[in-house]
Amino acid sequence: KNEVEQSPQNLTAQEGEFITINCSYSVGISALHWLQQHPGGGIVSLFMLSSGKKKHGRLIATINIQEKHSSLHITASHPRDSAVYICAANYGADGLTFGKGTHLIIQP
Amino acid sequence: KAGVTQTPRYLIKTRGQQVTLSCSPISGHRSVSWYQQTPGQGLQFLFEYFSETQRNKGNFPGRFSGRQFSNSRSEMNVSTLELGDSALYLCASSLGSYIGNTIYFGEGSWLTVV
Repeated sequence: KNEVEQSPQNLTAQEGEFITINCSYSVGISALHWLQQHPGGGIVSLFMLSSGKKKHGRLIATINIQEKHSSLHITASHPRDSAVYICAANYGADGLTFGKGTHLIIQP
Repeated sequence: KAGVTQTPRYLIKTRGQQVTLSCSPISGHRSVSWYQQTPGQGLQFLFEYFSETQRNKGNFPGRFSGRQFSNSRSEMNVSTLELGDSALYLCASSLGSYIGNTIYFGEGSWLTVV
């Protein structure tokens, strides 16, 4: 069964803290996506990974194929980073399978 | 460059009715995929269309269908609406198949079934 497990479900941190969100998946994925969803529904694609590491501004995403695990890191977190972060594994013909999401709140 | 546009943004329907949602992808994108988001089930993949052909389908009943036109615009239809169909319906477009490309989401259509 294609599964995606995300942790933690909820995370509250202080401004400036280093944030890590984890995602585990089953075998056989072609890519893993990290998505950000703000209140109101809009979703923004942050990263698409099939190997290694990607960085964009204060956001870093890594994936370990052997361990079937990916992490999203936020450095120098800011209140505007408050959102729901969702990982999604691409199982090819079976489509994207989504994690339940991590509700992140950054307090000033 | 315009983003992915979904219409309508909000709608209320009665049980048993049908609904059609529209999605205009980013210009040049040939793949459109559809998703349902509910508080209980989270985000779930509905189907993907590429060059007017449905290529992949999620685990949803036949009441959920879609199509894609030659200009890549896509529509999703839900027939015989049930209360449980109340959800945010999102579409996303990508340059090629969503399998290996970044996907760009629309703002979604909020459907309430009463």
